[in-house]
Amino acid sequence: EVQLVQSGAEVKKPGESLKISCKGSGYSFTSYWIGWVRQMPGKGLEWMGIIYPGDSDTRYSPSFQGQVTISADKSISTAYLQWSSLKASDTAMYYCARPFVSSGPDAFDIWGQGTMVTVSS
Amino acid sequence: DIQMTQSPSSLSASVGDRVTITCRASQGISNSLAWYQQKPGKAPKLLLYAASRLESGVPSRFSGSGSGTDYTLTISSLQPEDFATYYCQQYYSTPHTFGQGTKLEIK
Repeated sequence: EVQLVQSGAEVKKPGESLKISCKGSGYSFTSYWIGWVRQMPGKGLEWMGIIYPGDSDTRYSPSFQGQVTISADKSISTAYLQWSSLKASDTAMYYCARPFVSSGPDAFDIWGQGTMVTVSS
Repeated sequence: DIQMTQSPSSLSASVGDRVTITCRASQGISNSLAWYQQKPGKAPKLLLYAASRLESGVPSRFSGSGSGTDYTLTISSLQPEDFATYYCQQYYSTPHTFGQGTKLEIK
């Protein structure tokens, strides 16, 4: 079964760093892009960026460029989203997702369960 | 960035109704358009891709159409499980922007 399993919920203070993970299984991890999507409480979906684990080619939304870092470790089939200094406005659910085809960063058909990040003093 | 404008933002309808949600892109996206359904507390679910292609396992009451900049999602006969929030997304060029969502509620 193809699936993405994300790390658990996090509660952090402003200024702290954080790295959340997304482990893929049931498919060739290096052959598909993996994207990250933010959903702030009660709000819509925001596309953050996407990485191709095969060669680490990464594309960011301008809204998130410089605010987060997307990476992947293909040896353990895991993608990451990290912050160096969290803000309260980073409080959100974060989803990783995989496109339905391996040929490009297309629509997402496989989604992780989401990681809730709460940033509060 | 390509802006995606979805309408309406909310919609009240009854079981059995036919509903249509529209999505307009700020520039042509060559049918690189997906529709998702999201229920509270759950990850989004892909319904259609390439504007009109039904994802495997999705009921045939869902359909999509459009071209250029204008696209629609139609649910032919609403079922109780269809009450959710729907999003369009363009994947023509990065960033792959989403529409703001349409919340479909029971009348």
